Amino acid sequence: NAGVTQTPKFRVLKTGQSMTLLCAQDMNHEYMYWYRQDPGMGLRLIHYSVGEGTTAKGEVPDGYNVSRLKKQNFLLGLESAAPSQTSVYFCASRGRDAYNSPLHFGNGTRLTVT
Amino acid sequence: GEDVEQSLFLSVREGDSSVINCTYTDSSSTYLYWYKQEPGAGLQLLTYIFSNMDMKQDQRLTVLLNKKDKHLSLRIADTQTGDSAIYFCAERPNDYKLSFGAGTTVTVRA
Repeated sequence: NAGVTQTPKFRVLKTGQSMTLLCAQDMNHEYMYWYRQDPGMGLRLIHYSVGEGTTAKGEVPDGYNVSRLKKQNFLLGLESAAPSQTSVYFCASRGRDAYNSPLHFGNGTRLTVT
Repeated sequence: GEDVEQSLFLSVREGDSSVINCTYTDSSSTYLYWYKQEPGAGLQLLTYIFSNMDMKQDQRLTVLLNKKDKHLSLRIADTQTGDSAIYFCAERPNDYKLSFGAGTTVTVRA
């Protein structure tokens, strides 16, 4: 079972460059999330989606955009990367019932912005 | 997340019990969770507790919930080297969102 797959695993960007992080899940989950993980700050929610074609802002959305054109994919875009966006990014998904459907995480994308 | 607080580090001897503590703020959270993150990997659900429970036991894991004080703890009995990881406490303030603590790095020493 693939579960949640993130690509790429690592990336180095220069300030001002753009990129898209890809997340794909094969569990037919409704909800998908993008988190960033920084030392001492845990996971902070960037954006999330409760279904195909819908997105919403989380705690730290500035500088990021997302799209959910297909149910299985959730894309995170950085239009103009900044050093403050150096982080590890995690995608997660779950079914509609949070009790029976915990969050499933990908293995992360480590992004460095120089 | 600022709504969930936990200590950052815990060092424990192999074979001893580990206790990781967490405080949360949203009294309406119906479920509280413990996730484990091993190096280079995403988070995996360890266990969860429903808010109307005081305790839940699952093999070596015991979760205690004090709803009045909004305090959650995770006890790992007979801690092993494979338990070395980062442990995250999380609350569910609404139907679609989880708020995570900063994570407690547990180091098991021989």
